[in-house]
Amino acid sequence: AQTVTQSQPEMSVQEAETVTLSCTYDTSESDYYLFWYKQPPSRQMILVIRQEAYKQQNATENRFSVNFQKAAKSFSLKISDSQLGDAAMYFCAYTNTNAGKSTFGDGTTLTVKP
Amino acid sequence: GAVVSQHPSWVICKSGTSVKIECRSLDFQATTMFWYRQFPKQSLMLMATSNEGSKATYEQGVEKDKFLINHASLTLSTLTVTSAHPEDSSFYICSAANTGNTIYFGEGSWLTVV
Repeated sequence: AQTVTQSQPEMSVQEAETVTLSCTYDTSESDYYLFWYKQPPSRQMILVIRQEAYKQQNATENRFSVNFQKAAKSFSLKISDSQLGDAAMYFCAYTNTNAGKSTFGDGTTLTVKP
Repeated sequence: GAVVSQHPSWVICKSGTSVKIECRSLDFQATTMFWYRQFPKQSLMLMATSNEGSKATYEQGVEKDKFLINHASLTLSTLTVTSAHPEDSSFYICSAANTGNTIYFGEGSWLTVV
């Protein structure tokens, strides 16, 4: 069974600074997808970034980028120029290629200090 | 805009009654949808996989007779909490994957059983 580990229950960053959230996973599959989701207090799950395992290039979305190390089974999220609105719980998720069954990490609560 | 819509957002019901939560994919057809439960400050726990036109697949420990899932069309899955009790009070959220294997979540539903 796949497992996803987020070793940082809480992180904080100063506004405008950069923060990296870590995520490791375990799988025997070679093809899969990895996601980072943001969950603000409203509880809405907002897709931040998506990475296909077969792609070597790290995904980027504006201020958000990932460091995907397939051999190490690591998938960290870097948030640059942090904004107050980035404060939320962040979940790393592993998904197999068959219609989206996902395994989630325990989440990292990010605080952004003004 | 939302590509997966969940309704209702909030529901309060009396103990012993049943309540239905709907999950709709708005922009794509989803042969498979997923239902999760989330306790405060915890990760998402997969309850079941909803399969269009066939029986749902439940995760270990989830009572199939209490949490009835129906996936009657390619855009609608429903979760019915039967004979609800206060311990069923929680945040329930659904997801669906489009053909590009990007997973989208509904807005979630808060259930309070009094």
